[in-house]
Amino acid sequence: QKEVEQNSGPLSVPEGAIASLNCTYSDRGSQSFFWYRQYSGKSPELIMFIYSNGDKEDGRFTAQLNKASQYVSLLIRDSQPSDSATYLCAVSPWSGGGSEKLVFGKGTKLTVNP
Amino acid sequence: ETGVTQTPRHLVMGMTNKKSLKCEQHLGHNAMYWYKQSAKKPLELMFVYSLEERVENNSVPSRFSPECPNSSHLFLHLHTLQPEDSALYLCASSQDHLVGQYFGPGTRLTVL
Repeated sequence: QKEVEQNSGPLSVPEGAIASLNCTYSDRGSQSFFWYRQYSGKSPELIMFIYSNGDKEDGRFTAQLNKASQYVSLLIRDSQPSDSATYLCAVSPWSGGGSEKLVFGKGTKLTVNP
Repeated sequence: ETGVTQTPRHLVMGMTNKKSLKCEQHLGHNAMYWYKQSAKKPLELMFVYSLEERVENNSVPSRFSPECPNSSHLFLHLHTLQPEDSALYLCASSQDHLVGQYFGPGTRLTVL
C-alpha cells in the first residue's frame, strides 16, 4: 500500500514568518512530487512540483526533496493571511504510460495569523 | 471557458436515482481523472483515462461508471448510490506524466 503521510495540523504561524510543511512517502520508486493548495470549499490548486533531490524555489515557495529519506517539504516565506489553506502533498509512483496516478496525503491545514 | 469545468456543481439524489457528472477540459491535455474527496480522508483516485490506457481503482464500486468519449470530455455515471458516497467529486487533467494535474471546481454530491 503506497502511502503519503502529512501532519494534519493545524499549523499556525504569524504573518511574515516562515511556514514549514512536511511530507513522507513510502514508495521508494516515486518519481515526482507535488504540492497543492486547497482553500476551504475549493478544489486543489497546483503550486509546486519537484523531481530531483535538493531545493526548488518559486517566489515565496521552496520545495525540498530528499529521496534517500523519502521526505519532501514546502517552505513558505513571508507568510500572508491569504496563504491560510490546506496544503496537500502528492507523489507519483510513475510506472509508465501517459498518465499520473497520484497518491495524496490527507493535507496540513495552515493558518497565518495577522 | 478555460481550464477544467464540471457540471453540475451541486447534486442531491436519492439512492434509486441515476445521474451523470460531466467534466470538460480546455487545456489540450491527454489524460483525465476522477477523484473522490471525503472529509478526513485523502483524495482517492477513482479512474484514469489517457490515450494509452484506462485505469480503474479496483476498490471503486460498480455503481460508479466512467465514460470518456474523447480527450476533452469525461463523464461519471451514477446509479443506486449509497449515503456514504456523498462527497466532493473532482475531475482533473494532465499532459503526460511528471507535470502535475489540474483540477476542476468539483461536484458536491449528496445522496439521501
